[in-house]
This record gives sequence, C-alpha cells and structure tokens, in this order.
Amino acid sequence: GAVVSQHPSRVICKSGTSVKIECRSLDFQATTMFWYRQFPKQSLMLMATSNEGSKATYEQGVEKDKFLINHASLTLSTLTVTSAHPEDSSFYICSARDFGGGATGELFFGEGSRLTVL
Amino acid sequence: AQSVSQHNHHVILSEAASLELGCNYSYGGTVNLFWYVQYPGQHLQLLLKYFSGDPLVKGIKGFEAEFIKSKFSFNLRKPSVQWSDTAEYFCAVKDTDKLIFGTGTRLQVFP
Repeated sequence: GAVVSQHPSRVICKSGTSVKIECRSLDFQATTMFWYRQFPKQSLMLMATSNEGSKATYEQGVEKDKFLINHASLTLSTLTVTSAHPEDSSFYICSARDFGGGATGELFFGEGSRLTVL
Repeated sequence: AQSVSQHNHHVILSEAASLELGCNYSYGGTVNLFWYVQYPGQHLQLLLKYFSGDPLVKGIKGFEAEFIKSKFSFNLRKPSVQWSDTAEYFCAVKDTDKLIFGTGTRLQVFP
C-alpha cells in the first residue's frame, strides 16, 4: 500500500524554540494532507487540513500562528511548532489521501512524531 | 458535526476468545465509517471501511464490522483473537473531508 513518512520520529527541544516536522507521501501524490495530535490514552484530534498550494484550514481552537503548516508540493507537508512550550509536547501524526482515490480515497498515516518540550 | 464514541476503553481477552468492540456515531444520513488499528510502535492502518452496500464489512486479518443504521453503530468483531491482535483500535467517521476518531480501545490478548 501507499506509504506516508514522517520525520523526525522523535524530537526533544528546549522551551521557546521552533520545531519542524515533515510529512511525505512516498509513492503517491497528495493534494490534501491532515495533521492530527494524539494525547496519551486519547483520540486523534484533527488540527488542520493542509492543501497543496494554498493556506491550511485549521480546526477550531488550533492556533494557526503557533502551528504553521506549509504544503509546498504534492508530496510534502510540514508542520512547524513555533516557540514550543511543554504543553505542546504530544504525538503528531500526519495523513494523506491518495490523489487518485478521489474523495473516498483511502487515508494513509505516517508513523507519527513524538515531540517533547523541556 | 459528527462525533464518535467507543465505549470500551480497555479490553483484555485470552487467545481464541471472541471480540466485539463498540462504536457509535452521532447522526445519520450518509456515513462513511472506518476502523483503524495501531500496533505497538507502528502507524495507524486501515482494518476495514464502510461506504455503502452490504452492511456487513469484511476486513483484513479476520476482522469484520456491521453497520446498523437504526442503532448508529459500527461494531468491530473477530470470532477468535490472537496474541498478535494486541493493539489500539480506533473507529472513525468521515465528516465532509475529515476523519473524526473515537477515543480508541486498547485490546490486550494473552496467550
């Protein structure tokens, strides 16, 4: 099946620094990618929808200036956590829909990136 | 907006036991429903999905789910679980272009 890769898988940073997480679709094109956040023992919460060539659509309560999303190509979306604080520590997961699959195309998920802010 | 509830947070079974995990979504109309599995240390994988047609959906690894419209349910079943089924299971419903996930059920299967 299609593969979505995230990098880095784990990152530890100091409070106040910015961290960039990459999400790549390896063998398919993705006009739309989704960024989720997963808290321990909780569900995946959708943060934003990343659209290639346009601005991301953020869910209610998600700070767009805090979580910068860029979808510069059909195979790459990036999430930058700016001025990270300990409460931003979480597991971030991206997913991508195979462009060829249309609106009902299967979503493929990355391995996730665990961010720890000290 | 749609929401999904999974009532079983943690299920512990012995191998060969039967499994049923509950999933309910919030409102009707046309729904697209999914079950995903997350094995320890791995990424989410699709187990099965329902878009239309036969309400009994067969998935990978012997899993199946039944869509019951009158009950707003999409429960996941497996007749005989294996130790390798130990994982986190998430039910999800499509809401416009987004997937809304339930809180997940952690399944532990003991030999």
